[in-house]
Amino acid sequence: AQSVTQLGSHVSVSEGALVLLRCNYSSSVPPYLFWYVQYPNQGLQLLLKYTSAATLVKGINGFEAEFKKSETSFHLTKPSAHMSDAAEYFCAVSGGSNYKLTFGKGTLLTVNP
Amino acid sequence: DGGITQSPKYLFRKEGQNVTLSCEQNLNHDAMYWYRQDPGQGLRLIYYSQIVNDFQKGDIAEGYSVSREKKESFPLTVTSAQKNPTAFYLCASRFSANYGYTFGSGTRLTVV
Repeated sequence: AQSVTQLGSHVSVSEGALVLLRCNYSSSVPPYLFWYVQYPNQGLQLLLKYTSAATLVKGINGFEAEFKKSETSFHLTKPSAHMSDAAEYFCAVSGGSNYKLTFGKGTLLTVNP
Repeated sequence: DGGITQSPKYLFRKEGQNVTLSCEQNLNHDAMYWYRQDPGQGLRLIYYSQIVNDFQKGDIAEGYSVSREKKESFPLTVTSAQKNPTAFYLCASRFSANYGYTFGSGTRLTVV
């Protein structure tokens, strides 16, 4: 079985500040990990993914995430927030024989001017 | 351009009626998925299919049905047995395990 916990359902930052969205996972097999972004009334867009290569993963729009096996974490960061980053972010884990994705409950990011 | 098309974008249904949500992909992906999204609950898996003519129940399949007669198409029927069908429905497809999912733009279903 696999699961994802996103700490904080709502994170608020000022424009230009560091963005840190937390994700912890559990998986009985080596996982694939993903971060997705969703804008209102739209589908999910892939930001970045970890698939057992480099532990520091760079994605689109300046986001990156670091896989830490010892902490079972895959936190998402961006050095400087932009107004256009305001959206909901989902962490997901995939593993096992059918590689279904299990999603966290999401974190809504608000960026204040 | 390749992608997933969900239609319609907005759908209204009267209580007691069945309704079918369309999902079509031209990505040549084998696996397809249906998720339901409610505020604060993330995405919950309804059904998935890894090959044509085969599909499996997800975590919340009750009140829903699917078919997979063609690789490109994976329609979802919301039946009258679904007690609380008002939600945002997302279809996705996957090429391989390490590629993640590609999502459609969603259908918002409202029961009136």
